[in-house]
Amino acid sequence: GQNIDQPTEMTATEGAIVQINCTYQTSGFNGLFWYQQHAGEAPTFLSYNVLDGLEEKGRFSSFLSRSKGYSYLLLKELQMKDSASYLCAVRGTYKYIFGTGTRLKVLA
Amino acid sequence: ETGVTQTPRHLVMGMTNKKSLKCEQHLGHNAMYWYKQSAKKPLELMFVYNFKEQTENNSVPSRFSPECPNSSHLFLHLHTLQPEDSALYLCASSQEGAGGGQETQYFGPGTRLLVL
Repeated sequence: GQNIDQPTEMTATEGAIVQINCTYQTSGFNGLFWYQQHAGEAPTFLSYNVLDGLEEKGRFSSFLSRSKGYSYLLLKELQMKDSASYLCAVRGTYKYIFGTGTRLKVLA
Repeated sequence: ETGVTQTPRHLVMGMTNKKSLKCEQHLGHNAMYWYKQSAKKPLELMFVYNFKEQTENNSVPSRFSPECPNSSHLFLHLHTLQPEDSALYLCASSQEGAGGGQETQYFGPGTRLLVL
């Protein structure tokens, strides 16, 4: 079957670094996406990985290992506004599969 | 502003009502999607339209009926819904066939639906 696993909730302190992990099993692989979703709002695109390695974009970085079916999203210098759900999604052969999302709480 | 708009933002309906959700994308994309998002569950893909042709229907009950009159507009017609259909309904669009990560999906703000 196809599934994506990520932790349900994480808590971190303002200014800290947090790593959100995602493991996946899908039919075909055409890229892994991370989205941020604030409560009551639409998911917004954060990052995309299709090759192994680290992609850096400002305070956010995303890593992919296709052989391990594993990715992580790294958030540095956490801010209160980073409190949100982070969705891991894999584009399979024909469609996207989403994880349940990781709710991140940033504490002052 | 993501370039994808949805109306209405909130909807309360009875089980015997008929209503429609509307989605419009201003990004020039060629594919549009309907997703259902329920609490503590992953986003569930309901329908995909690629070049206005429906290419996916993940065994969605017939009380949900999609319509895609052109590549910029997508509707979801609702009738005789059940309370368990209460959820956030998200529309998304993407440019299929572009490659290189350009198939990123862009989401609308969603319609929060409550079925009484």
